[in-house]
Amino acid sequence: EAGVVQSPRYKIIEKKQPVAFWCNPISGHNTLYWYLQNLGQGPELLIRYENEEAVDDSQLPKDRFSAERLKGVDSTLKIQPAELGDSAVYLCASSTTPSGRASEQFFGPGTRLTVL
Amino acid sequence: DAKTTQPNSMESNEEEPVHLPCNHSTISGTDYIHWYRQLPSQGPEYVIHGLTSNVNNRMASLAIAEDRKSSTLILHRATLRDAAVYYCILSGAGSYQLTFGKGTKLSVIP
Repeated sequence: EAGVVQSPRYKIIEKKQPVAFWCNPISGHNTLYWYLQNLGQGPELLIRYENEEAVDDSQLPKDRFSAERLKGVDSTLKIQPAELGDSAVYLCASSTTPSGRASEQFFGPGTRLTVL
Repeated sequence: DAKTTQPNSMESNEEEPVHLPCNHSTISGTDYIHWYRQLPSQGPEYVIHGLTSNVNNRMASLAIAEDRKSSTLILHRATLRDAAVYYCILSGAGSYQLTFGKGTKLSVIP
């Protein structure tokens, strides 16, 4: 079974440029998560989707970050414009619909973003 | 969700057992204990979870103290591939969020 796929794996951009990350979750997983991971820290949740609905986006900086999950499968996370402090690893994860407790989450390899 | 406390780092010799501790003194009765690990340059991966009883799976064992204020992840025979950051996470019943701390960086010495 294929795991969570993310692309690109690495991205280097100049500050103020836009950037987008793509995620394809495990087939049949209705829940999709985007996390941000700074160096030496654990992942921090940015947004969680149930199918195509963003059910928790309270940690997403909405002035420059946006996300979408059309048709409830693939998802895209965008930053516009990027700032130096956005340099980090962006992780996508998916799971079956949680029921009673946090479901096992399956993570992709992440996209390492460097903003110059 | 309640907080967890883990050592920043630990070392183990290859092929020896490893006991990774986690303190969660403010755990509530409905909080689940989850363990994930993150190998270098990879996303985190699920290891094990439990509520009250000790749990075993093919990767590890989870020993939960009787008062649930601490738990221990046990790797029975450490291999070089087990070198990773291990995260202990509490998640309340009905809470679908995993809040990661800094975890414990495990080094395995050949």
